[in-house]
Amino acid sequence: GNSVTQMEGPVTLSEEAFLTINCTYTATGYPSLFWYVQYPGEGLQLLLKATKADDKGSNKGFEATYRKETTSFHLEKGSVQVSDSAVYFCALTPNTGNQFYFGTGTSLTVIP
Amino acid sequence: GAGVSQSPSNKVTEKGKDVELRCDPISGHTALYWYRQRLGQGLEFLIYFQGNSAPDKSGLPSDRFSAERTGESVSTLTIQRTQQEDSAVYLCASSWDRGRGGYTFGSGTRLTVV
Repeated sequence: GNSVTQMEGPVTLSEEAFLTINCTYTATGYPSLFWYVQYPGEGLQLLLKATKADDKGSNKGFEATYRKETTSFHLEKGSVQVSDSAVYFCALTPNTGNQFYFGTGTSLTVIP
Repeated sequence: GAGVSQSPSNKVTEKGKDVELRCDPISGHTALYWYRQRLGQGLEFLIYFQGNSAPDKSGLPSDRFSAERTGESVSTLTIQRTQQEDSAVYLCASSWDRGRGGYTFGSGTRLTVV
């Protein structure tokens, strides 16, 4: 079946620290992979995506590489800011079928 | 519109009452999802519409839940005889394709059943 497992939070970092949020997946075929971000009081926003193996998605200083050999799509940022405080969701959609599968979310708090 | 619009943004209802939640997707988006997000938890798939195809209702938790969508326009999610465990944020998302480019989410409807 299809599923997403992501690192449990909450995660608290100091400003300018390095961020990694782990995400691994199980899927049939070749899914597309996504990171969504939910800022406090707002809806989910697409942060970045990758549609095939070895693709790197990037946006706002965040990066994630689609690793088929390790079935992973870890989110990284070299220097976090207070404004990055949010909940981050890893997600996949298979190349067949309808459903969009989300991880449980990882809450990130960045302190000055 | 420019984004996915959901209404109401907040709804407080008494246990046993029916509620109707509305989602207005981005114009031209053929695919539409409803998800539920309980406090502190991940997103739970409810239902998926793709164009004029039969919807995928496999995520609806009980027969108290139903959803409709006419063509590629507005969708309504109806919860009958609400229970306290129905309290959650109900999120709608739409996409122009089958989602491989990502979905645009609305801000959600926060439902509280008292």
